[in-house]
Amino acid sequence: GDSVTQMEGPVTLSEEAFLTINCTYTATGYPSLFWYVQYPGEGLQLLLKATKADDKGSNKGFEATYRKETTSFHLEKGSVQVSDSAVYFCALSSGPDKLIFGTGTRLQVFP
Amino acid sequence: DTEVTQTPKHLVMGMTNKKSLKCEQHMGHRAMYWYKQKAKKPPELMFVYSYEKLSINESVPSRFSPECPNSSLLNLHLHALQPEDSALYLCASSQRLAGFKDTQYFGPGTRLTVL
Repeated sequence: GDSVTQMEGPVTLSEEAFLTINCTYTATGYPSLFWYVQYPGEGLQLLLKATKADDKGSNKGFEATYRKETTSFHLEKGSVQVSDSAVYFCALSSGPDKLIFGTGTRLQVFP
Repeated sequence: DTEVTQTPKHLVMGMTNKKSLKCEQHMGHRAMYWYKQKAKKPPELMFVYSYEKLSINESVPSRFSPECPNSSLLNLHLHALQPEDSALYLCASSQRLAGFKDTQYFGPGTRLTVL
């Protein structure tokens, strides 16, 4: 069945460092791909999305490109801030109602 | 505006209590969802309502009873819960587009503790 694999965390970085969180997927057809972020004690917020191959989603300095050839949707940010500390979930839309989540990656950014 | 609101923010209940969680959206979305999230885990789908009709029940125990009074509101009625039901309950909504193009927007969640 469809699935999402994320890199294990926590990812620990110093402020202004470059961030990559790897995400690969297995799916039939042409799913939409998402990154959600969950700050401590809060719900999930949609960070960015891409709906077809080679699309680049971007928001708040974060970017991810839908790569069909490598079945990947890696999240990147050029310079992280302490306020980016959160759990990041990669997800794919497996049909109109099914959202398949990865296990989540905790990011910790220190000053 | 992509806001989904949930009340209450926190809820503590005993195993014999009856309580309800409420979710609201005013984006004109026609699908609404309940998820359960345990600590350090991704959300797990519980129920889906599409055009106010229950379309998916992921084999959730009957002590959880969803209700969709209208297209903007979604309730989750709780009765005789167990301590293992303690979790963050998330509501989400989406436009109900065809195929794989739908995007789900989540609320802030209700933190439920069952004593």
